[in-house]
This record gives sequence, C-alpha cells and structure tokens, in this order.
Amino acid sequence: GAVVSQHPSRVICKSGTSVKIECRSLDFQATTMFWYRQFPKQSLMLMATSNEGSKATYEQGVEKDKFLINHASLTLSTLTVTSAHPEDSSFYICSAISQGLEEKLFFGSGTQLSVL
Amino acid sequence: DAKTTQPNSMESNEEEPVHLPCNHSTISGTDYIHWYRQLPSQGPEYVIHGLTSNVNNRMASLAIAEDRKSSTLILHRATLRDAAVYYCILRDRGSGNTPLVFGKGTRLSVIA
Repeated sequence: GAVVSQHPSRVICKSGTSVKIECRSLDFQATTMFWYRQFPKQSLMLMATSNEGSKATYEQGVEKDKFLINHASLTLSTLTVTSAHPEDSSFYICSAISQGLEEKLFFGSGTQLSVL
Repeated sequence: DAKTTQPNSMESNEEEPVHLPCNHSTISGTDYIHWYRQLPSQGPEYVIHGLTSNVNNRMASLAIAEDRKSSTLILHRATLRDAAVYYCILRDRGSGNTPLVFGKGTRLSVIA
C-alpha cells in the first residue's frame, strides 16, 4: 500500500528557533497533502492543505506566516514552524492522497514538537 | 461533512470481539462511511470503508444499518495492539482531494 514518510519523529527546540518537518510520499505522487495538529487527548485539527506548485490553503485561525508550507515536488511537502514558542508544542501529522485511491488518505507517523 | 456520533471510550477483553458503534443520522446518499484508527503516538491509519453493503477486510468488518443512519465497526478478536482511538468519518463520494475531518472518536482499551 501507499506509504507516507514523515521526519523527524521527535524534535526538541529552544523558543524562537525554527523547525522544519518533512512529509514524503514514498511510492506514489501526491498533488495534495494535508497538515494536521493534535494536542494531547484531543482530535486532529486540520491546519492547511498543501498543493504541489501552488500556495497552501490555511484553515481559519492558522497563521500562514508562522507555519510555512512548501510543496515543491509531487512527493515532498514541508512544514516549517517559524519562531517556535512553547504553545506550538504539539503532535504534527501530514497526510496525502494517492491518485486513483482517492477514497483513502495515507498518514505519516507524526512529529512530536516540544518547544522549551 | 455530515456529523458522526461515537462513544468516548470502550473497553474490551483480549481475544474477544469488539463492536464499535457510530451514529450518522444526517448521512447523505453519496456519503461513504470511513473508519480510521490512531494508535498511541502514531498517525491515523485506514481501517475500512463502505457505502451500503457490509464490508470485510483483513483488519475488520463494517456493518451498515439498512437505513444507513448508523454503522458498527467489528474487530473479531481484539488484541492489545488494537488499543487505539477509532474514528468514524463520513466522506462524500465526490470529495476528491479534500481532507478528512476528524471528530473525537472512540478510545478503545483492550484488557489482557
């Protein structure tokens, strides 16, 4: 089946630094990828939709200048948390759609971000 | 997306069947019923989906009520590795490149 690889799985950073999270579709091309955020004991919240070759679409309340999304190829989307603060500490998850298998979404294993 | 209602939590003994219910009284004729699950510290994974007829795969079975206003995910023999949050999600047939919208799901605990 289709595989989505997400790196790193865990990152600890100091407040004010930027962190980049990568999401790769390993055996399929993904024109669309999604980024979610999940706080402890809560459900996944959609942050943005990443489209290859165009600007990402952000959900209401998500700061596009803080959460930079780049989808430069059909297999890679990146989320950069800029000037991270402790309140940005969360579990970030990416998801991708495989062409021809639109009824299923495939998810990365998630990135646990801890900002000190 | 039409809303689904699931119990917050359920508990099962290991190696016994588990029936996870989901109510979706406002389902439309073109909504597929999807189930995903999220193991601790992992991203969600696809479990099963269906439209009208019951569905079986290697992971689980999906029983859909005749009026489609409810469905049940069946794990035939729960194992400790099945402990996860199970999400029931409606997704329109023509959703194409749209994301999944997650509710709170049901947290399944499996007791050895």
